[in-house]
Amino acid sequence: AQSVTQLDSQVPVFEEAPVELRCNYSSSVSVYLFWYVQYPNQGLQLLLKYLSGSTLVKGINGFEAEFNKSQTSFHLRKPSVHISDTAEYFCAVRPSGSSNTGKLIFGQGTTLQVKP
Amino acid sequence: GAVVSQHPSWVICKSGTSVKIECRSLDFQATTMFWYRQFPKQSLMLMATSNEGSKATYEQGVEKDKFLINHASLTLSTLTVTSAHPEDSSFYICSARPWDVLTYEQYFGPGTRLTVT
Repeated sequence: AQSVTQLDSQVPVFEEAPVELRCNYSSSVSVYLFWYVQYPNQGLQLLLKYLSGSTLVKGINGFEAEFNKSQTSFHLRKPSVHISDTAEYFCAVRPSGSSNTGKLIFGQGTTLQVKP
Repeated sequence: GAVVSQHPSWVICKSGTSVKIECRSLDFQATTMFWYRQFPKQSLMLMATSNEGSKATYEQGVEKDKFLINHASLTLSTLTVTSAHPEDSSFYICSARPWDVLTYEQYFGPGTRLTVT
C-alpha cells in the first residue's frame, strides 16, 4: 500500500519570497509522483509529474520539484511566489506497474497563503 | 486538449431525493474514470473507479447502492447520489484517464458542489 504525507498544512509566505512545500511518501513498489494545484471551488490542475529520468522536474507556473528516492520525498519549490499562487496544493502518488488502474493516492494538502 | 467537464457545477436538493452528476471527457476517450469526494479543507477521497462497460469498483466504506456509478461510453460517466441526506453534502470531483496506456495522467473535472437540505 502507498501513503503520502504533506508535512505542512499551511504555509504563509510573502510575495516574491521562495517557498517549499514538503511531501513524503511510502511505498513498497516504485511509484509515479505528482503535484496538483486546486484553486477555490475548482478541480485539480497538474503542476508537474515525475515518471523516470532526471530527478529534478519542472512544471507550470515556475514550479519545480525534486525526487529523492533515498528520502522518499518529492518537495515542491518556487523561487519567487505571486499572490496568484495562493491555493491548495496536493502531492499524489500512484504505483508504476502496468497492471495498476491508475488510482492516485493523495496527501492531505497544503494551503499556500501568499501575502502582499 | 484533455478537458473534462462536470454537470451541474452546483446543485441543491432536498433530503430524500436523488441527484445525478455527469462527468464527460470532451476531447479524448477515457477507459477509466474516477470519482472523488472532498470535504471542506480536506483532501480528495477516492470513492470508486469506473471502467467503460463494466461495473464500478468501490473503495472500502463507500456504499455502492447509495452512490450509483455508470460508465456507459468512453466519454461519459455518471454518479447518482440516491436518497440524499445532508451528510452527503460535499464537493464531488471526477477525473478521467485517457485510453492511451502511455498516458500516466488523470485529467480532473471542475467539480460539483452538492448541498442537501
